[in-house]
Amino acid sequence: NAGVTQTPKFQVLKTGQSMTLQCAQDMNHEYMSWYRQDPGMGLRLIHYSVGAGITDQGEVPNGYNVSRSTTEDFPLRLLSAAPSQTSVYFCASRRQGSAFFGQGTRLTVV
Amino acid sequence: TQLLEQSPQFLSIQEGENLTVYCNSSSVFSSLQWYRQEPGEGPVLLVTVVTGGEVKKLKRLTFQFGDARKDSSLHITAAQPGDTGLYLCAGEGGANNLFFGTGTRLTVIP
Repeated sequence: NAGVTQTPKFQVLKTGQSMTLQCAQDMNHEYMSWYRQDPGMGLRLIHYSVGAGITDQGEVPNGYNVSRSTTEDFPLRLLSAAPSQTSVYFCASRRQGSAFFGQGTRLTVV
Repeated sequence: TQLLEQSPQFLSIQEGENLTVYCNSSSVFSSLQWYRQEPGEGPVLLVTVVTGGEVKKLKRLTFQFGDARKDSSLHITAAQPGDTGLYLCAGEGGANNLFFGTGTRLTVIP
């Protein structure tokens, strides 16, 4: 099984550009989420979804949008990138208990 | 936001030594999980503790959940270089979201 697949693995954006980070899971998990990881701050929850058509904000949602049209996919959109969004982004899916993470997307905004 | 503070933030020890990592919060969690993260990868679940006072052992790793379900500890006996990594605690809170600690970066020197 592929588990949770994130693309791209690396990305450099200019301030003001937009982009979509892709996340797909093949475990039929209802719950999916996006985190960002910054040095010394652990992982912070950006947005989450408890099922197709349902999304909600996490701890740090500003500057990010999500949608959940299918159980498998949960893309994260940056509408107008800012240097403060330079980070490593992780997508995760859960059913009960354990969260399964993708390999991450390292995003740099210059 | 349900904050979890981990200590120490960095730990460098010699192979064969014992160590303890702490995860503390003012919030009560329905469960607490410990993850290990390798460079360039997403976190991987080590254990989930659910009951206050619960102790779980995974080979040389011992995990304990505080009686009040607000804190946890991870004890490693006779550390090995393969134990090197970033250790993250995560509490399950509102909406079944996982809130992560700040992380402990462990280096075991051969």
